[in-house]
Amino acid sequence: EVQLLESGGDLVQPGGSLSLSCATSGFTFTNYAMTWVRQAPGKGLEWVSSISASGSATFYADSLKGRFTISRDSSKNTLFLQMNSLTAEDTAVYYCAKVRDTIYYFFDYWGQGTLVTVSS
Amino acid sequence: EIVLIQSPATLSLSPGERATLSCRASQSVSSYLAWYQQKPGQAPRLLIYGASNRATGIPARFSGSGSGTDFTLTISSLEPEDFAVYYCQQGRNWPITFGQGTRLEIK
Repeated sequence: EVQLLESGGDLVQPGGSLSLSCATSGFTFTNYAMTWVRQAPGKGLEWVSSISASGSATFYADSLKGRFTISRDSSKNTLFLQMNSLTAEDTAVYYCAKVRDTIYYFFDYWGQGTLVTVSS
Repeated sequence: EIVLIQSPATLSLSPGERATLSCRASQSVSSYLAWYQQKPGQAPRLLIYGASNRATGIPARFSGSGSGTDFTLTISSLEPEDFAVYYCQQGRNWPITFGQGTRLEIK
């Protein structure tokens, strides 16, 4: 059974940093690209970042302006998102998702999400 | 950036009725389109990929069609558990983008 479990969400002050993790199991982690998608309270889904299966290629939403870094650790089957210079607009539930297919680029399994709140 | 516009924003129907949800892209995405269902407090669930392929375990009442810029998600006969928010997503170009969602509510 595929499982994705995010952690690391917290209340953080504006300008602060936070690191999210997504522990995976039930599939061969090194064979699949991974993604972070976020959802602000009461809003729709917003793609944040993706990383290739090998970790050699990364992609980011332009709105992040270089503040976020995605990475992965194949020895721990874990995906990460380092978030810096956080603002209130980054407040959201952050989901990690498995990329089923890098041609059609869609997401077949999702974690339950972790809440990041940026507020003073 | 490819913009996806979903219509209607809200659709009010009764169980047993047919639902037709639309997703229009600002430029061609070929068949690189997926549909997701999201219920309150839950993560999105993949329904359709490649515009018309049902994901594993998705009931046959869900179907997708279209290519290029115009896509449709059809639910042939609504079940009570189908009332949720539906999103389309394109994987043709970076950045990946989602539509703003269609809320399917019970009439």
